[in-house]
Order: sequence, then C-alpha cells, then structure tokens
Amino acid sequence: GAVVSQHPSWVICKSGTSVKIECRSLDFQATTMFWYRQFPKQSLMLMATSNEGSKATYEQGVEKDKFLINHASLTLSTLTVTSAHPEDSSFYICSARPGETQYFGPGTRLLVL
Amino acid sequence: DAKTTQPPSMDCAEGRAANLPCNHSTISGNEYVYWYRQIHSQGPQYIIHGLKNNETNEMASLIITEDRKSSTLILPHATLRDTAVYYCIVISGNYGQNFVFGPGTRLSVLP
Repeated sequence: GAVVSQHPSWVICKSGTSVKIECRSLDFQATTMFWYRQFPKQSLMLMATSNEGSKATYEQGVEKDKFLINHASLTLSTLTVTSAHPEDSSFYICSARPGETQYFGPGTRLLVL
Repeated sequence: DAKTTQPPSMDCAEGRAANLPCNHSTISGNEYVYWYRQIHSQGPQYIIHGLKNNETNEMASLIITEDRKSSTLILPHATLRDTAVYYCIVISGNYGQNFVFGPGTRLSVLP
C-alpha cells in the first residue's frame, strides 16, 4: 500500500515553544491530507483537512491560529503547534487518501513540559 | 457517513480465528466498509475493505451480509501481534472525505 511518513516520531518541548510536525506521502501525490489527534485511551479525532495550495479546513473547536497547517507541495503537509502547552500533549497522526483507501502515518508523540 | 457499532473488547486464543463484528444498519448504497487496526502507539493500519462482496487478502477476510447492514472481519489464525484496536468505518467513495473513527474493538490475543 501507499506510504505516509511523519517526522519527528516524538518530541519533547517546553511550554510556550512551537513545534513543527511534517507529513509526507512517499510514493504518491496528495492534494488533500488529514491531521488527527489522539489522546490516551481515546479514538482518533480529526483536527483539520490540509489542501495543497489553499487554506486548511479546521474542525469545530480546533483553533486555526494555534495549529498552523501548510500544504506547500503535493507530497508535504506540516502542522505547527504554536505556543504549545501541556494540554497539547498528544499523539498527532496524519493521513492521505490517494484512491479508495486512506493511509496513515506512524504518528508523532508530543510531550509539552 | 453511516454510524457503526462494535463491541468494545474481545478475547481470542492464539492460533484460533478471530471474528470481529460490526453493525452498520444505516449504510447507503455507495458506502464502503473499511477495517483498520491500531497497535499501541502506532498509526492506524489498513486491513481490508469491501462494498458488497466478501473480500479476502493476505491479512484477513471480510464478510458482508447480503443486506449490508453488518459485517465481520476474520483473522484466520490470530497471533499475539494481532492484539490491537480494530476499527470498522463506513464511508463513501468520495476521495476528499476523511475517515471517522469510533471507539473500535480492543482485541486481545491470549497465549
């Protein structure tokens, strides 16, 4: 199947700093990518839909100024958590759907101290 | 997208078949049934999907009832590495749509 990668796989940062997470489609082009967040013992929750060359679409309750999304190319979308706080600590997962099937990245675990 | 219902947890003995049910009684004619699994601290892994017919691949088999209101994912010979949360998702063929995850079924394969 198609491959989606994420970098970094885990990151620890101090409260108030910004963290950038990259999502790449390795063997296909993706005009649309999705960003999910997963808290412990919970299911994945969609945060936003990233669209190449245009603004991202955010789900209700997700602050667009806090979670900046840039989809600058057909193989790369980035999620920047600005001024991160401990409550932003979570597992962030991206995905893309090159055809019928959606493929997910391995996830990025963020810990904000 | 249609809502799905799955049991919260199941146990299966190693080497036996694991049968995971999913109800999707409000499924529409153009909606597919997808199965993913998530092993602890990893991203979801695609398993299999189908529209009307039963499907089989190297990982699993998918049995969809004739009325399409329910389906069963079958892992023919479960191993300890199959311990994971399994998600049943119903979604249309619109490639711009995202997959909505419910709580899934936590499958524990026991030695």
